[in-house]
Parts: sequence; structure tokens; C-alpha cells
Amino acid sequence: AQSVAQPEDQVNVAEGNPLTVKCTYSVSGNPYLFWYVQYPNRGLQFLLKYITGDNLVKGSYGFEAEFNKSQTSFHLKKPSALVSDSALYFCAFNFGNEKLTFGTGTRLTIIP
Amino acid sequence: NAGVTQTPKFRILKIGQSMTLQCTQDMNHNYMYWYRQDPGMGLKLIYYSVGAGITDKGEVPNGYNVSRSTTEDFPLRLELAAPSQTSVYFCASSYFGSTNEKLFFGSGTQLSVL
Repeated sequence: AQSVAQPEDQVNVAEGNPLTVKCTYSVSGNPYLFWYVQYPNRGLQFLLKYITGDNLVKGSYGFEAEFNKSQTSFHLKKPSALVSDSALYFCAFNFGNEKLTFGTGTRLTIIP
Repeated sequence: NAGVTQTPKFRILKIGQSMTLQCTQDMNHNYMYWYRQDPGMGLKLIYYSVGAGITDKGEVPNGYNVSRSTTEDFPLRLELAAPSQTSVYFCASSYFGSTNEKLFFGSGTQLSVL
């Protein structure tokens, strides 16, 4: 089955350090890739998306993601973590239709 | 500036009961979606709608029904609730669809079926 995988359930990063949240995809064709974030007791919020073009995508709150076709990855990154970045992060994909499929999520904790 | 509003926030049902989860948006969005979020499983699409009068199945539609009589409202109906439907339900909307722009999510309904 076509899917995205988030191999780490939990990621801990010290405040001020760079952070990476990993996502790999197992789909045929050319998927559209997304990152969403969920803060406690809130709905998901959009961070960024990759459809085509530049492999480095910049998004909200200083986040960026790098699309790597050879490694089938779409990792989320930020150069300097803030405590307020602590949240649940979801990678997702679709093929230009409405059936957006989400990964299982990675809980990011930024340690002061 | 309400955005996407879901009611109720919490509900406990007994097995076999029915209920409707309400979702309304005030952004004049064409597209609306229902997702469920199970622990460790990510979000799964139940149903979606591309406009008033048009609905389509997502990944996990069994046990649910939807209708879209207006642009603003997209209720989700659970008939004969089962423990497997215990989950957090999220409604979302967008104007141009989930590929062309971001989805706006409601704050969720936590449902327990006992």
C-alpha cells in the first residue's frame, strides 16, 4: 500500500539546536507532499507543501523541508529550535486529489 | 473569525446509539472533510465533499454517513455506534482543495463508545 512513514515516534532536541523530523514515502508516481503540525487540543495546522520545482521548500514558523527523490524522503527541518515548536508533526501525501493520507506523527519536544 | 467549528467537543455513547457530529465553517470553502485520529495511527479520511450536494468516500467510510446540503455545514452521522469508532474526529475545509491550498481544521470531537 502507498504510504508515508515517520520512523521516529518521539524526537527530543535542546532549545537552540537544529531539528529534523523525518518522513519517507513509499508511493509510485510523483506525490504531492505536505507537513502539518498539531498543538495540544487543537486541530492540525499547515506548515508547507512540495508539488514540483525546488527541492527545498520553505514554510511557516521558520520551518523548511527537503525533497529527496532518490532517498524518497521529505524531512522537516529548522535551524534553531524553540520551546514553542514542541508539538505533534504529521507528514502527508496525495496525488493531486482530495485523498490526503497522513503518517502516524512524530512528537517533537524541545528541551529548554 | 470562527473558522471551522465542531460540536460537541466530547461525547460518550453506548454501543448501538446514534449521533451526529456537527461541523460548520464560515469561510465559504467549497471543500470539506472528515478525518478520524486514532492513537499512533495518524489521521484517516472518512468522507469529503467538493461542494454542496456532492460527497465522496474516503479511506474508512464504513459505519458513517454524511450530507452536504449547504456550503457551510458538513455533519457526520454515526449509526449504531461501535467501540471501534472511539476516536478523535476532525473536520477540515479549504477553498481550492487539499492539494492547492492548506486545510483549515476544527479543534476536534473526542468520542468514546462504551
